[in-house]
Amino acid sequence: GAGVSQSPSNKVTEKGKDVELRCDPISGHTALYWYRQSLGQGLEFLIYFQGNSAPDKSGLPSDRFSAERTGGSVSTLTIQRTQQEDSAVYLCAIMDRGYGYTFGSGTRLTVV
Amino acid sequence: GENVEQHPSTLSVQEGDSAVIKCTYSDSASNYFPWYKQELGKRPQLIIDIRSNVGEKKDQRIAVTLNKTAKHFSLHITETQPEDSAVYFCAAQAAGNKLTFGGGTRVLVKP
Repeated sequence: GAGVSQSPSNKVTEKGKDVELRCDPISGHTALYWYRQSLGQGLEFLIYFQGNSAPDKSGLPSDRFSAERTGGSVSTLTIQRTQQEDSAVYLCAIMDRGYGYTFGSGTRLTVV
Repeated sequence: GENVEQHPSTLSVQEGDSAVIKCTYSDSASNYFPWYKQELGKRPQLIIDIRSNVGEKKDQRIAVTLNKTAKHFSLHITETQPEDSAVYFCAAQAAGNKLTFGGGTRVLVKP
């Protein structure tokens, strides 16, 4: 939506390959979140960046998942050695006005 | 950490009837409770929210209630219309923390 751009919108990758997903928020939002939504399921928290603080990585499902946020703006979520169970929609969100999220349109990842 | 439970998982109502979705949370420090609507293939969109210093909030056909003592909150949709068909998620947030979402409720409004 307005304020958060994600790319690519769709990604099909072979099992075992690495993928990078990008989130590009408008400037000024210090809090950035990654969530995962499997087909027909809820929103699973992955990782959270807040300013210069150490990120909250408590939701990352395995050490194949990592994320970084450069310059307090763009964030990339990297999945190494992808597995079929990684197939999902990956959503990035920013904290809006101190409460609530504005979500990006997501990246639909399919691992074949 | 916070745990949010949401019921029912599916809800089918006749057009014009009311729909109620209920959520409970575990962390008494949570003080912000938004509701999101997600239409098929689209991103979740914030539809209404409530903070812990109020017990009820209304916006046209939707309303939310909060019972801090019991740690539960509800979404009420009156005079349902087909365009209300979607998945609805509740969430809870403690100050400066992430949102924890409920499992979602799939609402179907039958014409």
